[in-house]
Amino acid sequence: TQLLEQSPQFLSIQEGENLTVYCNSSSVFSSLQWYRQEPGEGPVLLVTVVTGGEVKKLKRLTFQFGDARKDSSLHITAAQPGDTGLYLCAGTNAGNNRKLIWGLGTSLAVNP
Amino acid sequence: DAGITQSPRHKVTETGTPVTLRCHQTENHRYMYWYRQDPGHGLRLIHYSYGVKDTDKGEVSDGYSVSRSKTEDFLLTLESATSSQTSVYFCAIGAGDQPQHFGDGTRLSIL
Repeated sequence: TQLLEQSPQFLSIQEGENLTVYCNSSSVFSSLQWYRQEPGEGPVLLVTVVTGGEVKKLKRLTFQFGDARKDSSLHITAAQPGDTGLYLCAGTNAGNNRKLIWGLGTSLAVNP
Repeated sequence: DAGITQSPRHKVTETGTPVTLRCHQTENHRYMYWYRQDPGHGLRLIHYSYGVKDTDKGEVSDGYSVSRSKTEDFLLTLESATSSQTSVYFCAIGAGDQPQHFGDGTRLSIL
């Protein structure tokens, strides 16, 4: 069974700090998605990475896909309270794209 | 925001009763998905659809059935609800074969 492990599980920081969260697996994925979920709402897709070593930026968020396509990271610069939420990663393998493999998420709280 | 609506948003029912959850989209996306989200388990795929009347099982399909008679509607039915099906249920849609947009969920409690 493919697993995606996310770390840390919980993170509480002050506004303006930088942070990085990780998504790791022993399996290779053809693509990996990052979502943010706020309480009472569904996940919102932030980015999809498909190429090993790929880096994508979304304002203050930087996403990286590992060279071997087994891991990914999300770096947030100068975090703001609006960044608070559950960050989920999900990966797809080449054989069965419909069934995403989900991590359990990193719960981020940014305190003003 | 993507046009995806789940109903009801909250429901409390008793063990053994049938329950139907509805997902409605206005995006004309081919793919629709039903997930459940539980602490410690994350999001798990129940069933998905890749077209009208075309559906397939996900990883936790036992006790659930689905139907898709129109592109815009995807129904999830619990024929005889059990307490283990207490969860938050999310519908998702996608133009390709990966979910891109999620609804806001249905919180289902089975007593």
